[in-house]
Amino acid sequence: NAGVTQTPKFQVLKTGQSMTLQCAQDMNHNSMYWYRQDPGMGLRLIYYSASEGTTDKGEVPNGYNVSRLNKREFSLRLESAAPSQTSVYFCASIPGQGRYGYTFGSGTRLTVV
Amino acid sequence: AQRVTQPEKLLSVFKGAPVELKCNYSYSGSPELFWYVQYSRQRLQLLLRHISRESIKGFTADLNKGETSFHLKKPFAQEEDSAMYYCALSGKYRRGADGLTFGKGTHLIIQP
Repeated sequence: NAGVTQTPKFQVLKTGQSMTLQCAQDMNHNSMYWYRQDPGMGLRLIYYSASEGTTDKGEVPNGYNVSRLNKREFSLRLESAAPSQTSVYFCASIPGQGRYGYTFGSGTRLTVV
Repeated sequence: AQRVTQPEKLLSVFKGAPVELKCNYSYSGSPELFWYVQYSRQRLQLLLRHISRESIKGFTADLNKGETSFHLKKPFAQEEDSAMYYCALSGKYRRGADGLTFGKGTHLIIQP
Protein backbone atom coordinates (compact mmCIF):
# COMPACT_ATOMS: atom_id res chain seq x y z
CA ASN A 1 0.00 0.00 0.00
CA ALA A 2 1.78 3.12 -1.23
CA GLY A 3 -0.98 5.54 -0.10
CA VAL A 4 -0.01 9.02 -1.29
CA THR A 5 3.24 9.29 -3.22
CA GLN A 6 5.00 12.58 -3.91
CA THR A 7 7.91 13.28 -6.22
CA PRO A 8 10.51 14.64 -6.00
CA LYS A 9 11.43 14.52 -2.31
CA PHE A 10 13.89 17.40 -2.62
CA GLN A 11 14.40 20.14 -5.19
CA VAL A 12 16.47 23.30 -5.50
CA LEU A 13 15.36 25.88 -8.04
CA LYS A 14 16.70 29.22 -9.16
CA THR A 15 14.39 32.21 -9.04
CA GLY A 16 12.28 32.28 -12.18
CA GLN A 17 12.57 28.58 -12.98
CA SER A 18 9.50 26.42 -13.29
CA MET A 19 8.74 22.97 -12.02
CA THR A 20 5.91 20.56 -11.35
CA LEU A 21 5.41 18.63 -8.13
CA GLN A 22 3.74 15.29 -8.66
CA CYS A 23 1.28 13.55 -6.39
CA ALA A 24 -0.45 10.22 -6.87
CA GLN A 25 -2.72 8.17 -4.63
CA ASP A 26 -3.76 4.56 -5.01
CA MET A 27 -6.68 4.54 -2.58
CA ASN A 28 -9.37 5.50 -5.08
CA HIS A 29 -9.93 8.75 -3.18
CA ASN A 30 -12.03 11.46 -4.77
CA SER A 31 -10.58 14.57 -3.13
CA MET A 32 -6.98 15.70 -3.22
CA TYR A 33 -5.17 18.68 -1.72
CA TRP A 34 -1.92 20.59 -1.83
CA TYR A 35 -0.60 22.22 1.35
CA ARG A 36 2.54 24.11 2.13
CA GLN A 37 4.21 23.92 5.52
CA ASP A 38 6.30 26.80 6.82
CA PRO A 39 7.91 27.24 10.26
CA GLY A 40 5.57 29.01 12.62
CA MET A 41 2.76 29.02 10.05
CA GLY A 42 1.45 25.47 10.22
CA LEU A 43 -0.02 24.04 7.02
CA ARG A 44 -1.88 26.22 4.59
CA LEU A 45 -4.07 25.00 1.77
CA ILE A 46 -2.91 25.98 -1.71
CA TYR A 47 -5.38 24.20 -3.99
CA TYR A 48 -8.03 21.55 -3.75
CA SER A 49 -9.66 19.09 -6.12
CA ALA A 50 -12.99 17.54 -5.13
CA SER A 51 -13.00 15.17 -8.08
CA GLU A 52 -11.37 14.51 -11.42
CA GLY A 53 -11.66 17.58 -13.59
CA THR A 54 -12.38 20.06 -10.81
CA THR A 55 -10.00 22.31 -8.90
CA ASP A 56 -10.46 25.19 -6.50
CA LYS A 57 -8.29 27.73 -4.73
CA GLY A 58 -7.41 27.45 -1.09
CA GLU A 59 -5.89 29.97 1.26
CA VAL A 60 -2.63 30.72 -0.58
CA PRO A 61 -3.03 29.97 -4.32
CA ASN A 62 -1.01 32.85 -5.78
CA GLY A 63 1.97 31.73 -7.82
CA TYR A 64 0.69 28.18 -8.27
CA ASN A 65 -1.37 26.20 -10.73
CA VAL A 66 -2.74 22.68 -10.45
CA SER A 67 -3.94 19.91 -12.69
CA ARG A 68 -6.11 16.99 -11.73
CA LEU A 69 -4.88 14.71 -14.46
CA ASN A 70 -7.10 11.78 -13.50
CA LYS A 71 -8.53 10.36 -10.30
CA ARG A 72 -5.08 9.24 -9.10
CA GLU A 73 -2.90 12.23 -9.91
CA PHE A 74 -2.89 15.85 -8.79
CA SER A 75 0.07 18.00 -9.79
CA LEU A 76 1.20 21.40 -8.54
CA ARG A 77 3.08 23.73 -10.86
CA LEU A 78 5.25 26.71 -10.09
CA GLU A 79 5.52 28.72 -13.29
CA SER A 80 8.13 31.20 -12.07
CA ALA A 81 9.58 30.21 -8.73
CA ALA A 82 10.23 32.86 -6.08
CA PRO A 83 12.20 32.60 -2.82
CA SER A 84 8.91 33.04 -0.93
CA GLN A 85 7.88 29.64 -2.29
CA THR A 86 10.65 27.91 -0.39
CA SER A 87 8.67 25.48 1.73
CA VAL A 88 7.74 21.87 2.32
CA TYR A 89 4.83 20.84 0.16
CA PHE A 90 2.41 18.11 1.19
CA CYS A 91 -0.18 16.39 -0.91
CA ALA A 92 -3.18 14.79 0.81
CA SER A 93 -6.31 12.89 -0.13
CA ILE A 94 -9.61 11.77 1.36
CA PRO A 95 -12.32 9.41 0.08
CA GLY A 96 -14.74 12.22 -0.75
CA GLN A 97 -15.92 15.62 0.34
CA GLY A 98 -16.62 15.55 4.00
CA ARG A 99 -15.05 15.23 7.34
CA TYR A 100 -12.55 12.42 7.27
CA GLY A 101 -9.00 12.05 8.32
CA TYR A 102 -6.69 12.96 5.48
CA THR A 103 -3.87 10.74 4.21
CA PHE A 104 -0.71 12.75 3.59
CA GLY A 105 2.26 12.17 1.34
CA SER A 106 5.81 12.34 2.65
CA GLY A 107 6.39 15.85 1.34
CA THR A 108 8.58 17.71 -1.15
CA ARG A 109 11.21 20.01 0.31
CA LEU A 110 11.64 22.88 -2.15
CA THR A 111 14.29 25.58 -1.93
CA VAL A 112 14.25 28.56 -4.27
CA VAL A 113 17.51 30.50 -4.41
CA ALA B 1 -13.88 32.75 8.91
CA GLN B 2 -12.63 29.54 10.42
CA ARG B 3 -9.54 29.63 12.57
CA VAL B 4 -7.55 27.25 14.74
CA THR B 5 -5.33 28.57 17.52
CA GLN B 6 -2.60 26.63 19.25
CA PRO B 7 -1.21 29.09 21.78
CA GLU B 8 1.98 27.18 22.59
CA LYS B 9 4.72 26.95 19.97
CA LEU B 10 6.80 24.79 22.27
CA LEU B 11 5.90 22.60 25.21
CA SER B 12 8.54 20.78 27.22
CA VAL B 13 7.64 18.25 29.93
CA PHE B 14 9.43 15.47 31.73
CA LYS B 15 8.84 11.82 31.01
CA GLY B 16 5.97 10.52 33.11
CA ALA B 17 4.38 13.95 33.57
CA PRO B 18 0.92 14.79 32.24
CA VAL B 19 0.67 16.57 28.91
CA GLU B 20 -1.98 18.96 27.64
CA LEU B 21 -1.70 20.59 24.22
CA LYS B 22 -4.20 23.39 23.83
CA CYS B 23 -6.37 24.00 20.79
CA ASN B 24 -9.11 26.59 20.37
CA TYR B 25 -11.18 27.09 17.27
CA SER B 26 -13.46 29.60 15.66
CA TYR B 27 -16.14 28.33 13.30
CA SER B 28 -19.73 29.37 12.73
CA GLY B 29 -21.10 25.91 12.01
CA SER B 30 -20.60 22.48 13.53
CA PRO B 31 -16.92 21.62 12.99
CA GLU B 32 -15.09 18.36 12.73
CA LEU B 33 -11.83 18.49 14.66
CA PHE B 34 -8.67 16.47 14.38
CA TRP B 35 -5.24 16.11 15.89
CA TYR B 36 -2.33 15.27 13.62
CA VAL B 37 1.18 14.31 14.66
CA GLN B 38 4.39 14.77 12.68
CA TYR B 39 7.52 12.99 13.86
CA SER B 40 10.82 14.44 12.81
CA ARG B 41 10.80 15.07 9.03
CA GLN B 42 8.03 12.56 8.42
CA ARG B 43 4.58 12.89 6.96
CA LEU B 44 1.62 14.00 9.03
CA GLN B 45 -0.34 11.18 10.59
CA LEU B 46 -3.86 11.32 11.91
CA LEU B 47 -3.84 10.91 15.67
CA LEU B 48 -7.45 11.56 16.69
CA ARG B 49 -10.83 12.57 15.33
CA HIS B 50 -13.32 14.03 17.74
CA ILE B 51 -16.22 12.15 16.16
CA SER B 52 -14.65 8.79 16.95
CA ARG B 53 -14.00 9.58 20.63
CA GLU B 54 -11.09 7.15 20.66
CA SER B 55 -7.80 6.99 22.51
CA ILE B 56 -4.68 6.57 20.42
CA LYS B 57 -1.23 6.02 21.95
CA GLY B 58 -2.73 7.09 25.29
CA PHE B 59 -3.91 10.46 23.94
CA THR B 60 -7.46 11.70 24.27
CA ALA B 61 -9.20 14.88 23.22
CA ASP B 62 -12.66 16.14 24.07
CA LEU B 63 -14.57 18.70 22.08
CA ASN B 64 -15.89 21.46 24.33
CA LYS B 65 -18.31 23.50 22.25
CA GLY B 66 -18.93 25.98 25.03
CA GLU B 67 -15.25 26.87 25.26
CA THR B 68 -14.62 26.11 21.56
CA SER B 69 -11.70 23.94 22.54
CA PHE B 70 -10.28 20.57 21.59
CA HIS B 71 -7.32 20.09 23.90
CA LEU B 72 -5.12 17.00 23.55
CA LYS B 73 -4.21 15.19 26.76
CA LYS B 74 -2.07 12.31 27.93
CA PRO B 75 -1.68 11.39 31.59
CA PHE B 76 1.90 10.11 31.39
CA ALA B 77 4.23 11.40 28.69
CA GLN B 78 6.74 9.11 26.99
CA GLU B 79 9.91 10.08 25.16
CA GLU B 80 8.52 8.77 21.86
CA ASP B 81 5.74 11.37 22.10
CA SER B 82 8.22 14.08 21.13
CA ALA B 83 6.90 15.52 17.84
CA MET B 84 4.99 18.37 16.24
CA TYR B 85 1.28 18.29 16.94
CA TYR B 86 -1.27 20.06 14.79
CA CYS B 87 -4.88 20.70 15.61
CA ALA B 88 -7.08 20.91 12.51
CA LEU B 89 -10.65 21.80 11.69
CA SER B 90 -12.72 20.62 8.75
CA GLY B 91 -15.11 23.16 7.44
CA LYS B 92 -15.74 25.14 4.33
CA TYR B 93 -13.40 27.42 2.48
CA ARG B 94 -14.63 30.05 0.07
CA ARG B 95 -16.48 28.75 -2.96
CA GLY B 96 -17.61 25.70 -1.07
CA ALA B 97 -14.29 23.87 -1.16
CA ASP B 98 -13.64 21.54 1.71
CA GLY B 99 -10.29 21.52 3.34
CA LEU B 100 -8.56 21.32 6.66
CA THR B 101 -7.61 24.49 8.52
CA PHE B 102 -4.55 23.85 10.64
CA GLY B 103 -3.23 25.54 13.71
CA LYS B 104 0.40 26.63 13.67
CA GLY B 105 1.47 23.59 15.62
CA THR B 106 2.97 22.82 19.01
CA HIS B 107 6.40 21.26 19.28
CA LEU B 108 6.24 18.80 22.16
CA ILE B 109 9.52 17.78 23.74
CA ILE B 110 9.60 15.05 26.33
CA GLN B 111 12.68 15.24 28.51
CA PRO B 112 14.09 12.07 30.07
